[in-house]
Amino acid sequence: EVVLTQSPATVSLSPGERATLSCRASQNIAYYLAWYQQKPGQAPKLLIYDASNRATGIPARFSGSGFGTDFTLIISSLEPEDFAIYYCQQRGQWPPLTFGGGTKVEIK
Amino acid sequence: QVQLQESGPGLVKPSETLSLTCTVSGASITDYYWSWIRQPPGKGLEWIGYAFFSGATNYNPSLNRRASISVDTSKNQFSLKLISVTAADTAVYYCARASGGSPDGWFDPWGLGTLVTVSS
Repeated sequence: EVVLTQSPATVSLSPGERATLSCRASQNIAYYLAWYQQKPGQAPKLLIYDASNRATGIPARFSGSGFGTDFTLIISSLEPEDFAIYYCQQRGQWPPLTFGGGTKVEIK
Repeated sequence: QVQLQESGPGLVKPSETLSLTCTVSGASITDYYWSWIRQPPGKGLEWIGYAFFSGATNYNPSLNRRASISVDTSKNQFSLKLISVTAADTAVYYCARASGGSPDGWFDPWGLGTLVTVSS
């Protein structure tokens, strides 16, 4: 099973600041990684797929990069609605499809 | 616009079977693979498995063969059954579509989720 390790677990930032979130895979998953955003009481929403492609309607301030085992999600300038939990998910080696433990982006 | 809606009992007794249904609107259930994902309170996400209308399925081995997913094309619905539940199965259960027509497609969209509590 591919284990995804996200860091940091929590990051405290102010609106307008840049957020850098990491996701590390225990095995090579090529570019088969996605990022989801989850707000309290809501279902996750797809942000980025295949490591670097924004999903439909996702603002350009969200960008993803990486290949193999190391991946990054960057939010270039945090908006108030971006404070949420972010999960990475892989489909490079499955079953099972697996998720990371999440990074919470909280307001400083 | 594709929408998914979970339904089913919110409370299940230990050792019994959890049964949930996901109703799909805005898309034909025969065109995609459909998954169930769960999230224990305050914790992360766990993929349960997927099904296709042909009967093809795949499950997370962590569930020890307790899960089964089926598709009802006449109702444009798919369902989850989880047998022999324990308190560890308490979670919000989400249904989701695998995008792109492949079983491992990214999950988009998701249902709103439904909380199932396992307790006597």
